[in-house]
Amino acid sequence: DTEVTQTPKHLVMGMTNKKSLKCEQHMGHRAMYWYKQKAKKPPELMFVYSYEKLSINESVPSRFSPECPNSSLLNLHLHALQPEDSALYLCASSQGGFVLANEKLFFGSGTQLSVL
Amino acid sequence: KQEVTQIPAALSVPEGENLVLNCSFTDSAIYNLQWFRQDPGKGLTSLLLIQSSQREQTSGRLNASLDKSSGRSTLYIAASQPGDSATYLCAVTEGASGSRLTFGEGTQLTVNP
Repeated sequence: DTEVTQTPKHLVMGMTNKKSLKCEQHMGHRAMYWYKQKAKKPPELMFVYSYEKLSINESVPSRFSPECPNSSLLNLHLHALQPEDSALYLCASSQGGFVLANEKLFFGSGTQLSVL
Repeated sequence: KQEVTQIPAALSVPEGENLVLNCSFTDSAIYNLQWFRQDPGKGLTSLLLIQSSQREQTSGRLNASLDKSSGRSTLYIAASQPGDSATYLCAVTEGASGSRLTFGEGTQLTVNP
């Protein structure tokens, strides 16, 4: 299994809603990432988990709350989002943990989020 | 601050042509450079990863080169096919952590049958 699976594929939410994005990989990778991508722009790093611990938070607003319950699963909890948070949210993983620089990232297909 | 630039922003070619996509970066202190492919509304697929000590990598019809000292990389696609139509992004890894990829804005490639 060489896939990173993200659910849901599409999500529409109001500004007062609470929702969660889910990401799973069964490749035994020890680093997992959340990226945000606006239309026609490159992905921007949000969070990195290494060995299930939060290693990097790129100054992301607290309305985004990541969680890594185990080595295969990564969640992104959303609360009180703004319309400008509408974007494609991508999850990625890499094998050895982020301290090893020369590894490929494996990306999921993303969740297309619309905030009304 | 690292900046990655990709030229051209868009490219349209007839099927069968060989083509070159360009990527340049401002800080040569990188660990590696990756080329990704992204289909509309989808995630990224890593095509090739060139470590900073390497000059090129090949996979099938794809060949990527890296000239770290001049801050340039090229992705060569041989005998292009309509299925190659996608956005191609290059990204460099820098810093003590391998997780900080800096992406270019991509080249949108259309291969016409």
